[in-house]
Amino acid sequence: DSGVTQTPKHLITATGQRVTLRCSPRSGDLSVYWYQQSLDQGLQFLIQYYNGEERAKGNILERFSAQQFPDLHSELNLSSLELGDSALYFCASSVAGGPTGELFFGEGSRLTVL
Amino acid sequence: TQLLEQSPQFLSIQEGENLTVYCNSSSVFSSLQWYRQEPGEGPVLLVTVVTGGEVKKLKRLTFQFGDARKDSSLHITAAQPGDTGLYLCAAFLISQGGSEKLVFGKGTKLTVNP
Repeated sequence: DSGVTQTPKHLITATGQRVTLRCSPRSGDLSVYWYQQSLDQGLQFLIQYYNGEERAKGNILERFSAQQFPDLHSELNLSSLELGDSALYFCASSVAGGPTGELFFGEGSRLTVL
Repeated sequence: TQLLEQSPQFLSIQEGENLTVYCNSSSVFSSLQWYRQEPGEGPVLLVTVVTGGEVKKLKRLTFQFGDARKDSSLHITAAQPGDTGLYLCAAFLISQGGSEKLVFGKGTKLTVNP
């Protein structure tokens, strides 16, 4: 158990819909990262928050947004869903987020868009 | 273009065999990490290598960071079925703005048959 909690574990929805994925980081960790994992693209970095502020941005689509709340939990919002958005979405946390920091991953949220 | 190229993409071997998987890049990194991901779970950090030429051992796993800090290898001695999983290398990429993001290779999927 990494200490990172993600909900829901599985989600099935239709194209055009909007979903919210939730992440609770390990106690004491200030950084939260979101990744998308698909078979063809591998693990793709989406966005990082540190203590409530956006820290780094990856290949996150404009239809996607995220935020980190004062209690440090984070939400990833995916809107106008397309078939290609079907993937595993991972949240990870770390104490800080520097160049040698260890990321602790949750078990992921599997999104299926039909 | 993938920043971190991992090879081979798939590897299926018998229990007791030795194997090496590779992570290559044209970029220089301050550090490189190896993670293992098992089905239905998030990646788990195995090791971080920081110094060029560094060798780290974790039981039957030996990790090496290239002298030029552009590549790394993971060698497993006497592989066991419990070593089965997706092995991912990762490195922190620092943007011109100073933000850091952890990027992953696509991984090597290892299957060790009993």
